Amino acid sequence: GDSVTQMEGPVTLSEEAFLTINCTYTATGYPSLFWYVQYPGEGLQLLLKATKADDKGSNKGFEATYRKETTSFHLEKGSVQVSDSAVYFCGSSNTGKLIFGQGTTLQVKP
Amino acid sequence: DTGVSQNPRHKITKRGQNVTFRCDPISEHNRLYWYRQTLGQGPEFLTYFQNEAQLEKSRLLSDRFSAERPKGSFSTLEIQRTEQGDSAMYLCASSTRWDRGETQYFGPGTRLLVL
Repeated sequence: GDSVTQMEGPVTLSEEAFLTINCTYTATGYPSLFWYVQYPGEGLQLLLKATKADDKGSNKGFEATYRKETTSFHLEKGSVQVSDSAVYFCGSSNTGKLIFGQGTTLQVKP
Repeated sequence: DTGVSQNPRHKITKRGQNVTFRCDPISEHNRLYWYRQTLGQGPEFLTYFQNEAQLEKSRLLSDRFSAERPKGSFSTLEIQRTEQGDSAMYLCASSTRWDRGETQYFGPGTRLLVL
């Protein structure tokens, strides 16, 4: 069945460092891909998405590009802030239901 | 939009008891999803509704679990004869319709602890 694999955390960075969180997927067909974020004490919220190969999703300085050849959707940000500390979930969807990775905790230190 | 709401936010119960959770989706969202999230893991799909029709159930949803959405608005998830392994966060999400890249809006979740 479909699955999503994320790099294990926690990831600890200093403020203004570059961030990469790896995500790969296995799926039948061509799913849509998502990054959701969960801030402390809050619910899951969509960060960005891409629906077809080579699409780039972006939001709040975060970017991810749908790479069909490597079945990947890695999340990047050029300069992280303390406020980016959260748990990040990569997800895929073929028919509506979301298949999530296990989540990656990001901690940004001042 | 008032967002997706879930009640109760927390539930503690004894093993063997029945529990029921409620989800109120965003108004006019016709798709409603239930997920379960255990500590340190991503949410796992349980079931979803298109209006009042339950269209898919995960094999994770044992016979002790039942979900309804009687009028295509709010939904309930009932767990009968709870077990300690049912302890988890139960998440509800809604969306307007299915298309590629539909955004699901999540509620805050109901945290269940089975003693």
